[in-house]
Amino acid sequence: QSVLTQPPSVSAAPGQKVTISCSGSSSNIGNNYVSWYQQLPGTAPKLLIYENNKRPSGIPDRFSGSKSGTSATLGITGLQTGDEADYYCGTWDSSLSAGGFGGGTKLTVL
Amino acid sequence: EVQLVESGGGLVKPGGSLRLSCAASGFTFSNAWMSWVRQAPGKGLEWVGRIKSKTDGGTTDYAAPVKGRFTISRDDSKNTLYLQMNSLKTEDTAVYYCTILWFGELFLSYYYYMDVWGKGTTVTVSS
Repeated sequence: QSVLTQPPSVSAAPGQKVTISCSGSSSNIGNNYVSWYQQLPGTAPKLLIYENNKRPSGIPDRFSGSKSGTSATLGITGLQTGDEADYYCGTWDSSLSAGGFGGGTKLTVL
Repeated sequence: EVQLVESGGGLVKPGGSLRLSCAASGFTFSNAWMSWVRQAPGKGLEWVGRIKSKTDGGTTDYAAPVKGRFTISRDDSKNTLYLQMNSLKTEDTAVYYCTILWFGELFLSYYYYMDVWGKGTTVTVSS
């Protein structure tokens, strides 16, 4: 059972925009920063967003993050077929004193 | 180039033990907080645990499913992170990733993210 809740799948056409939601509680997202990871098929996860909305060097500005209350959102614009991957949100849970991830969302670019 | 390379995975029987290693290079390992994350076949990511740098106390924290069975340690002289896994269960079957962990407090909130990941090593627990 994941600490955070994500939709299992989302889809959109090339060039379009998609958003992926991540829902938590006051002990995790509500009071801590959120990160997002992209996992391409057969590869290790890669950091996309940290501290809610910051992008590591090399991550294009097509990827964005936001947070409101106990939920966070990853946005991807100008979708490309190469964006097809699983996306995970992550945060620290202060009540559990443990890290947590969402269950993952599979993005399909139709 | 910053690099993490895991090793030590394999097939082990339920109740058995295994030690994973993660060789680090390209950064000052002794200053880094490190973590292990696993992914069961066809499933999502699961945080296993973390170890602080020795200058920050060197203490460890674990996820509930592995607490008391798994131990994370580090040898800064060898730039190597370890995961000792005892009393293994079939549900521990997964790819195990070593990561650099960034953790701290900023404006009364914790930041927690992993910016470098190894390629992973596969652990299969089966009779």
